[in-house]
Amino acid sequence: AQSVTQLGSHVSVSEGALVLLRCNYSSSVPPYLFWYVQYPNQGLQLLLKYTTGATLVKGINGFEAEFKKSETSFHLTKPSAHMSDAAEYFCAVSLSGGSYIPTFGRGTSLIVHP
Amino acid sequence: DAEITQSPRHKITETGRQVTLACHQTWNHNNMFWYRQDLGHGLRLIHYSYGVQDTNKGEVSDGYSVSRSNTEDLPLTLESAASSQTSVYFCASSGLAGGLAINEQFFGPGTRLTVL
Repeated sequence: AQSVTQLGSHVSVSEGALVLLRCNYSSSVPPYLFWYVQYPNQGLQLLLKYTTGATLVKGINGFEAEFKKSETSFHLTKPSAHMSDAAEYFCAVSLSGGSYIPTFGRGTSLIVHP
Repeated sequence: DAEITQSPRHKITETGRQVTLACHQTWNHNNMFWYRQDLGHGLRLIHYSYGVQDTNKGEVSDGYSVSRSNTEDLPLTLESAASSQTSVYFCASSGLAGGLAINEQFFGPGTRLTVL
């Protein structure tokens, strides 16, 4: 079984500031980890994913995430927030070689102030 | 380009009516999923399918059904719509990447359903 916890339902930053969205997971086997972004009135789209190999993963729009097994974390970061980053972000985990069904976190709404 | 589409994008119906939401994907993915998204609940899995003629219940399947007669389509039916089923519904699909089941999902744009 697996689970995902996203700390903070809302995160507010100023434009140009560091973005940090937190995700912790639990998994009985090596996980696959994902971050999705959802813009208003749209479906979710993949930002980045970790499967195997390099633990620092780079995604679209300047986002990156680091898989830390010892901390069971997969936090999402971006050095400098842009107004267009305002959206809902979801962390998800699935089991490698197992079920095709990912478990999603509750989501974090990123608010970017000018 | 491959895509996943949903129709209608918006639907208003009355309590007790049967409603069918369409989902069509051209990724040639075996796996398809239906979720509902509600404030405070995130995404909740309704039904899913691993291939033609295969369907499975998710965590909130009561009052919903699906059928899979081909690879491309997984329609979601609300047998007798209730106000509690007012929500935004998302269809998703996933398949193999380089021979591995990475489980990355591709989402449709969603259907906003209102049950009056």
